[in-house]
Amino acid sequence: DIVMTQSPDSLAVSLGERATINCKSSHSVLYSANNKNFLAWYQQKPGQPPKLLIYWASTRESGVPDRFSGSGSGTDFTLTISSLQAEDVAVYYCQQYYSTPPYTFGQGTKLEIK
Amino acid sequence: QVQLVESGGGVVQPGRSLRLSCAASGFTFSAFPMHWVRQAPGKGLEWVALTSPDGNIKDSADSVKGRFTISRDNSRNTLYLQMNSLRTEDTAVYYCVRDHGLGMSARRGFDPWGQGTLVTVSS
Repeated sequence: DIVMTQSPDSLAVSLGERATINCKSSHSVLYSANNKNFLAWYQQKPGQPPKLLIYWASTRESGVPDRFSGSGSGTDFTLTISSLQAEDVAVYYCQQYYSTPPYTFGQGTKLEIK
Repeated sequence: QVQLVESGGGVVQPGRSLRLSCAASGFTFSAFPMHWVRQAPGKGLEWVALTSPDGNIKDSADSVKGRFTISRDNSRNTLYLQMNSLRTEDTAVYYCVRDHGLGMSARRGFDPWGQGTLVTVSS
């Protein structure tokens, strides 16, 4: 199984500042047939289901603010929030959906306001 | 709009069974792979099971293999999760989730997610 490891486990950032969350997979998730990384980022606010933010490691889902960006390839990935807003307080998860199951998630990173 | 609505959760004793349902609307249900994902209280996300669009291909996590069965009824636009031999560690919110994108190369993660249904296994 592919293991996904996020860092840090929690993060406190001031409003307007940059937040960076890292995700490392134990196996490359680059799908050779289309040269896309099968890596997604989700945001989960308390009492709500997860919301897809980024897929293919760097493509924003429709409606997601452009302060959210994803980068990386192969086994190392990053989610960046360029200017933190109060509504961005949440837990963020990375997930690999490469090839066959299980489709594993990182342990989550809790983002708070400093 | 695209919507997934789970039902069937509740409190059940260890060793008993429960069946979850997920009603889909707003999209061509029969065209998409579907999943169940769960989240224990205060914990992270765990993928549970997958079914192909026609229901012929299924897979599940090792933690539930042999106890949980995913199925679908495309005529009713409904996804199911039959949970047998329930354990206390199966206590979680269970989310019904659509695979986002059609075809292997077009896969774009999981979206949308239902609101979830809480299963509590306790004596």
